Amino acid sequence: LAKTTQPISMDSYEGQEVNITCSHNNIATNDYITWYQQFPSQGPRFIIQGYKTKVTNEVASLFIPADRKSSTLSLPRVSLSDTAVYYCLVVSGGDYKLSFGAGTTVTVRA
Amino acid sequence: NAGVTQTPKFRVLKTGQSMTLLCAQDMNHEYMYWYRQDPGMGLRLIHYSVGEGTTAKGEVPDGYNVSRLKKQNFLLGLESAAPSQTSVYFCASIENVVISGANVLTFGAGSRLTVL
Repeated sequence: LAKTTQPISMDSYEGQEVNITCSHNNIATNDYITWYQQFPSQGPRFIIQGYKTKVTNEVASLFIPADRKSSTLSLPRVSLSDTAVYYCLVVSGGDYKLSFGAGTTVTVRA
Repeated sequence: NAGVTQTPKFRVLKTGQSMTLLCAQDMNHEYMYWYRQDPGMGLRLIHYSVGEGTTAKGEVPDGYNVSRLKKQNFLLGLESAAPSQTSVYFCASIENVVISGANVLTFGAGSRLTVL
């Protein structure tokens, strides 16, 4: 399992774009990058997954450079309800031990 | 389709008591996981299972036991509860990670355990 490093916390204001970068220097060829979101008192939920370049869905965008040693989760025009902890997880085929890092606490203020 | 269901949602124990948390998934997922989350902290892996009848230790297995007698159920047991085990416990499942990493974890809503 590729070790990941993310900022511990980020503050933002409503309407701004929030970008969270996750470093995964030892990512392997077949690894996928997955991001989860966790609201207080809830279980984490999947928000986006990617392998390379850019992936976009209704919640977020994920940017992955060519060397894949990092990835950036982009939350466009955040609102107060986007306040949550965001986890980056790199999943390898055949690696069953799925351990999370500390995650990034994003606080959105009015 | 319920996904991942955890029972109970809340429990208060006295030091030394035992209990079992049940995780049930209806997605026919092969792999199941138990995590604990202390206040203000991230998720820490306790035990996991790669299939019916198999279990393996995670990062913080001490004080816990697990069993996976049926594919859909993953039980987490505390034989002698300690105040340090006060936490929120999350169960998760994933289809498989054998072929590729292109699978995602589905989490339960959590079980809040307090040990006095």
